[in-house]
This record gives sequence, structure tokens and C-alpha cells, in this order.
Amino acid sequence: GEDVEQSLFLSVREGDSSVINCTYTDSSSTYLYWYKQEPGAGLQLLTYIFSNMDMKQDQRLTVLLNKKDKHLSLRIADTQTGDSAIYFCAESTNTDKLIFGTGTRLQVFP
Amino acid sequence: DTGVSQNPRHKITKRGQNVTFRCDPISEHNRLYWYRQTLGQGPEFLTYFQNEAQLEKSRLLSDRFSAERPKGSFSTLEIQRTEQGDSAMYLCASSLGSGGDSEKLFFGSGTQLSVL
Repeated sequence: GEDVEQSLFLSVREGDSSVINCTYTDSSSTYLYWYKQEPGAGLQLLTYIFSNMDMKQDQRLTVLLNKKDKHLSLRIADTQTGDSAIYFCAESTNTDKLIFGTGTRLQVFP
Repeated sequence: DTGVSQNPRHKITKRGQNVTFRCDPISEHNRLYWYRQTLGQGPEFLTYFQNEAQLEKSRLLSDRFSAERPKGSFSTLEIQRTEQGDSAMYLCASSLGSGGDSEKLFFGSGTQLSVL
């Protein structure tokens, strides 16, 4: 079945790096996504990676994909208080819908 | 580009009443999705449309729920005889289509439903 898992909380000091992890089950997923959700708001697409790539870098964001272990991570360099939010990973499926994880709440403290 | 627009932002209703939500996708997007999100959970897929055709419905979508996209542009989601368990954020998203960059979903701000 389709299942995406994430740890629930992460707390980091401002200026440090944050690493948010995700595991998924559908080996046929073609794309994997990271979304950010701030309180009371919809989801904002941050970045995504094609399943035949190992890594993708986009400014402060680095996505690493280990397809063998079905493990995805999002690294945020120089984390700022404005990065405090809930981060969702999502996998695409062969039926063209996204399956989301439960989200990781990132708290950045000064 | 106005993004995905959802109305209303908030809806409070009494149990047993019917409610209808509207979603206006990004204008050139062919696909439109409805998701439901409860507190502390990720969005759960409900249904999606390719133009006006409803291509898939989740088992979560009981017969009290109906969604339409009559002209392939805006969509409505109706819940009949609401129950307290229907209280959630209802999110709409749109995309260009399938394959590559076209799969990226863009979300609206959601409609928060509270059933008393």
C-alpha cells in the first residue's frame, strides 16, 4: 500500500542546518515533493526531485533521495525563524495523485 | 497570476445541514484536486478532475459528498447532512496535467469547516 512517514517534530537553533526525513513505500513513484505549510494557510511547494536523481540543490534547500531505501530528506541550510512551519513530503503515484506524510513541525529558536 | 482561490475561507454549520465549497484553479490548469486535512495530519486525497471528467474518487468520499467541475474550470464540493466528523480543512489544488513539471500541485488556502 501507499504510506509516507515522517518524524513529528524538529527543533533547531537559528543559523544551524535542519534535516527533515521521510520514508515512502511506492517504489514506482516518479516524483517526490516537499511542501511547507504555515499556520492557517495552504501548502506551498518548496522543491521536488525526479526519482532517477540522487540529489537536488535549490538555494538553501538540498534534497537527497535514496531510492533503494525509499528515503528522502530535506536539508535547510542557515535555518531562519521564518522557516518555522510544518513540512510535508509527498510521493506521486501511478494514478496521478499525491500521497502526503503526516508532516514534520519545524521550530526554530533564537 | 491569482493562484488557486477557495471560498469561503471559513464555514460554520450545524450538524445535518448541507454545505458547498468553491474552488477556482489557476486558469490554464487542466487538473483539479480536492484534499481534506484534519489537525495534525497530512492532506488526504478525496477526488480529482481532468478538465470536466472526475477520474478518481477516494473511499473517504462517502455518498454524502459530491464534487463537480461542469465546465472544466471552477469546481464545487458539496457535503450533504454534515456530521461532526466532517470538520476539517478542505484543500483544493490544481496542476497542468501529468508528467514532469506538469504534475506540480499548487494549493489554495483551504476552506475550514466546523460542524457544531
